[in-house]
Amino acid sequence: EVVLTQSPATLSLSPGERATLSCRASQSVGIYVAWYQQKPGQAPRLLIYDASNRATGVPARFSGSGSGTDFTLTISSLEPEDFAVYYCQQRQHWPPLTFGGGTKVDIK
Amino acid sequence: QLQLQESGPGLVKPSETLSLTCTVSGGSITSGIYYWGWIRQPPGKGLEWVGSISHSAATFYHPSLESRVTVSADTSKNQFSLRLTPVTPADTAVYYCVRHKDSGNGADAFHIWGQGTTVIVTS
Repeated sequence: EVVLTQSPATLSLSPGERATLSCRASQSVGIYVAWYQQKPGQAPRLLIYDASNRATGVPARFSGSGSGTDFTLTISSLEPEDFAVYYCQQRQHWPPLTFGGGTKVDIK
Repeated sequence: QLQLQESGPGLVKPSETLSLTCTVSGGSITSGIYYWGWIRQPPGKGLEWVGSISHSAATFYHPSLESRVTVSADTSKNQFSLRLTPVTPADTAVYYCVRHKDSGNGADAFHIWGQGTTVIVTS
């Protein structure tokens, strides 16, 4: 099973700042990492798939990069609605499809 | 626009069976090359993929749950279902139904999610 480790667990930033979230895989997963955003009481929402492709309707301030074992989600300038929990997920080696433990982006 | 809606009992007793249904609207469960699956989230914790069924009715399960879980589809009702038995309190979670595409080299990301339904396992 591929283990995804996300860091940091919590990121405290102010609106307008840049957020950089990390996801590290226990083995190479190629480019097959997705990122999701989850707000309290809501279902997760797909942001990025295959490392760098924005899903439909996702603002351009969200970008993804990486390959192999190291992946990054960047939010270029935080908007108030971006404060949430973010999960990475891999699809290279399955079953099982696995998720990271999440990074919470909260307001400083 | 495709929508998914989970339904089922909110309370299940330990050792009994958790049964959930996902109703698909705005599209057919038989059109396209998709997987239809389930993901769960225990209270205050992260996401765990449970299992999926493909457009060709092949099933895939999380190894840790494989002995207890069944995902099936009813094309006549445009629904798919999750059955988990026997349950323990550790199965308490929000359960989401999802759609993901067969990308040719495996299962794509989870593009479409239901709103989720809470299941509590308690006596």
